Amino acid sequence: AQTVTQSQPEMSVQEAETVTLSCTYDTSENNYYLFWYKQPPSRQMILVIRQEAYKQQNATENRFSVNFQKAAKSFSLKISDSQLGDTAMYFCAFSVLDNTDKLIFGTGTRLQVFP
Amino acid sequence: EPEVTQTPSHQVTQMGQEVILRCVPISNHLYFYWYRQILGQKVEFLVSFYNNEISEKSEIFDDQFSVERPDGSNFTLKIRSTKLEDSAMYFCASSALAGGLFEQFFGPGTRLTVL
Repeated sequence: AQTVTQSQPEMSVQEAETVTLSCTYDTSENNYYLFWYKQPPSRQMILVIRQEAYKQQNATENRFSVNFQKAAKSFSLKISDSQLGDTAMYFCAFSVLDNTDKLIFGTGTRLQVFP
Repeated sequence: EPEVTQTPSHQVTQMGQEVILRCVPISNHLYFYWYRQILGQKVEFLVSFYNNEISEKSEIFDDQFSVERPDGSNFTLKIRSTKLEDSAMYFCASSALAGGLFEQFFGPGTRLTVL
């Protein structure tokens, strides 16, 4: 069975600083996808960034980047130049490359960005 | 920008009552999902639906649960006889196609409270 672990329930960072959110996962599959979703207060979850396991290059989306370590089964999210609007719950998620497509989520990290 | 919508935003019901949670997926999407999040816990997959049938369901999705796409636009989750432990946030999601390359778009959720 696949599991996703986020060991940081809460994090805080000052505006303009950099913060890294941790995620580890466990799977025996070789082909899969990893995701970071953001859930602002009272808003729907939105996809922040996605990583295909077969790609060695770490994904980057503007201020968001990941550090994907396949052997260590680690998938951390780095947010550079943090903004107040980055305040949200961040969920790490995993999906096996098959027809089912279900997402397996971690418990989330609540990130607070302070001015 | 197209988005997934869910109604109601909050549903309060008595134990043993039936509830129907409604979702309107993005119009050209073909894959539909329900997830739930018990307060303080991780988001859990319930069921995926494609081509008018369930493609996968989790252990949580027992005989008390059913899904339907009654009219080509709505996607509903019915809980036949609610239990206290069904109290949770229920998220609907849709994607254009299956596979991790295709983003799952989430609705804002319905908070179900069973008294």
